[in-house]
Amino acid sequence: AQKITQTQPGMFVQEKEAVTLDCTYDTSDPSYGLFWYKQPSSGEMIFLIYQGSYDQQNATEGRYSLNFQKARKSANLVISASQLGDSAMYFCAMRGTTSGSARQLTFGSGTQLTVLP
Amino acid sequence: DTGVSQNPRHKITKRGQNVTFRCDPISEHNRLYWYRQTLGQGPEFLTYFQNEAQLEKSRLLSDRFSAERPKGSFSTLEIQRTEQGDSAMYLCASSPSTGTANSPLHFGNGTRLTVT
Repeated sequence: AQKITQTQPGMFVQEKEAVTLDCTYDTSDPSYGLFWYKQPSSGEMIFLIYQGSYDQQNATEGRYSLNFQKARKSANLVISASQLGDSAMYFCAMRGTTSGSARQLTFGSGTQLTVLP
Repeated sequence: DTGVSQNPRHKITKRGQNVTFRCDPISEHNRLYWYRQTLGQGPEFLTYFQNEAQLEKSRLLSDRFSAERPKGSFSTLEIQRTEQGDSAMYLCASSPSTGTANSPLHFGNGTRLTVT
């Protein structure tokens, strides 16, 4: 079984500042993938960034980076230079490699980020 | 790449009625997923297709729910005898079959169902 925990229901950040959204996970799979998605009020789930469990370096995609600490089972999303358009719900998700979990993503409960002008 | 398309965007129905939603995945993707998302929660997995074969179903998918993907392209999700607890956003996603854990799912805009 896989479980994703996001302990911050809501976060506020000042425009142009950096913000870290927390994610911890639990799995028995030997290898797995971790994903972050953004969901604006329009409802679409937008893929942001991916981290493989055996990747040596933390993933980065533009202003997004993933602070991956495997021993602590955490995969925090860091957004640098926040913009007003970053205000949205953010979900952490994982996907395993064993037959029962390999095909689906398991999501956390999300963090609502509000960027203040 | 036209993305994943879902219709309708919104559906309001009375309790006890049947509803059907449609999903058109990205054309080269042969994996298709249905998720349900209630307010303030993350998406929950409902079912998964590889081509036309339905390979996995969550226990969330009661007998009133049925999903099909007859030709391995578009998919439909039908809810019979709707209940107020069925009110949610229904999300469809697709992905290619190559790669496993590292393949992100590409989501549509969802269908928001309200059962009155």
